[in-house]
Order: sequence, then C-alpha cells, then structure tokens
Amino acid sequence: EIVLTQSPDFQSVTPKEKVTITCRASQSIGSSLHWYQQKPDQSPKLLIKYASQSISGVPSRFSGSGSGTDFTLTINSLEAEDAATYYCHQSSSLPPLTFGGGTKVEIK
Amino acid sequence: QVQLQESGPGLVKPSGTLSLTCAVSGGSISSSNWWSWVRQPPGKGLEWIGEIYHSGSTNYNPSLKSRVTISVDKSKNQFSLKLSSVTAADTAVYYCASQTNIPGSDPGPFDYWGQGTLVTVSS
Repeated sequence: EIVLTQSPDFQSVTPKEKVTITCRASQSIGSSLHWYQQKPDQSPKLLIKYASQSISGVPSRFSGSGSGTDFTLTINSLEAEDAATYYCHQSSSLPPLTFGGGTKVEIK
Repeated sequence: QVQLQESGPGLVKPSGTLSLTCAVSGGSISSSNWWSWVRQPPGKGLEWIGEIYHSGSTNYNPSLKSRVTISVDKSKNQFSLKLSSVTAADTAVYYCASQTNIPGSDPGPFDYWGQGTLVTVSS
C-alpha cells in the first residue's frame, strides 16, 4: 500500500498570503498524484490532476508541482473562500487507492 | 456532465449490512469510467472502499475486502455498495465517485463526486 503523508496538518493564514502544502509518497508514484479541496459539509472537488495539470474552472492561484515521491500544492494570494481541507490522492497503484491525511487551511 | 446521487438507509444496526446505491445521470454507466465508493468518518479523512467497471470487474480495499461487495445495474444506470458485519467504526459519510478510464493509463483522479450520505451504525 502506498502511504501519502501530508504536511502540515493545519495552517492558519492571512488573506493574500502564499500557502504551500506538501504530500510525500512512501514509494515513487511518477506523476499520478491529484489534489482536492473539501469545504465543510461538501464533497471533495478536484483542483489539480497528475501533479501539475490544471482543471477547468479552478482559479489560477492553485498550482501543483512534483514527481516521484514529493509533491506540492501552492495557493498564491489566499482568498477567504479558500478556507477548506486539502487532500492528495494517488492513482499509481491499487488496491488500494489512497489519500493523504488532509491539511486544514484556516483564514486568520 | 455526469451527476452522482447516493441513496440508502441512514441508520444501520450493528452486525447488519449497509446497503447504498449511486444513481448516475448525465452519462452512461457503461462508459469508460471506474465507479467508486469512498467514505469519511466524522471529522476524519477519506478512505477508498472499492470500485467497479461496467464489465463487472472490481477492485476492493484489502482492509475491507472480506466485507464489501460492489455491483452494477446497467438497466438502471446505477451501482451499489454492500458492507456486511458493520460496527460503529463504519459510521461515516459515504460518497460515490467516478474516474474516467483512459486506456493505457492509471485510473486517474476522481472527476465527479456525489453529495455524500451519512450512515450511522447504532442500535
């Protein structure tokens, strides 16, 4: 099983600040890493696919990078609406498909 | 645009069987998608339960495999989850989700999600 470790678990950020969330895989997964945003009482929403590919309709302040075992989600110029929990997910190896533990981003 | 909608009992007794259905609209369940179930215990992270292709091919999370059955009903354009011998630890919001299958590629991201349904295991 591929374990995904996200850091930090929690981040309190002021608007317009830059946010960086990392996801580390227990073994190489190439670029098969995807990022989701989940707001309270909502289902997850796909933000970035295959490490760095943008998704139509997602604001350009969200970007992803990385390959192999180390990946990063960056939110440039955080907005109040970005308060949410962010998850990474790997599709390189199954079963099982796995998710990171999540990073909660709070707006100061 | 594919839309997914979960349905089923919100309360299941311990040792019973949890049964949920995911109705697919805006697309065919016979399309090139993998159809998955994902759950989220209250206040916790996401856990993949398993998936099915319209051919009937399935993959299950080894941690749940002995208790899980996922099936597809093409005539109703829906797929279903059965989880047996449930305990309080199975209390969670259950989501159905789909991945677009691209031949020669890995399963990819979950493109579409249902709104989720809370299932509580309690007597």
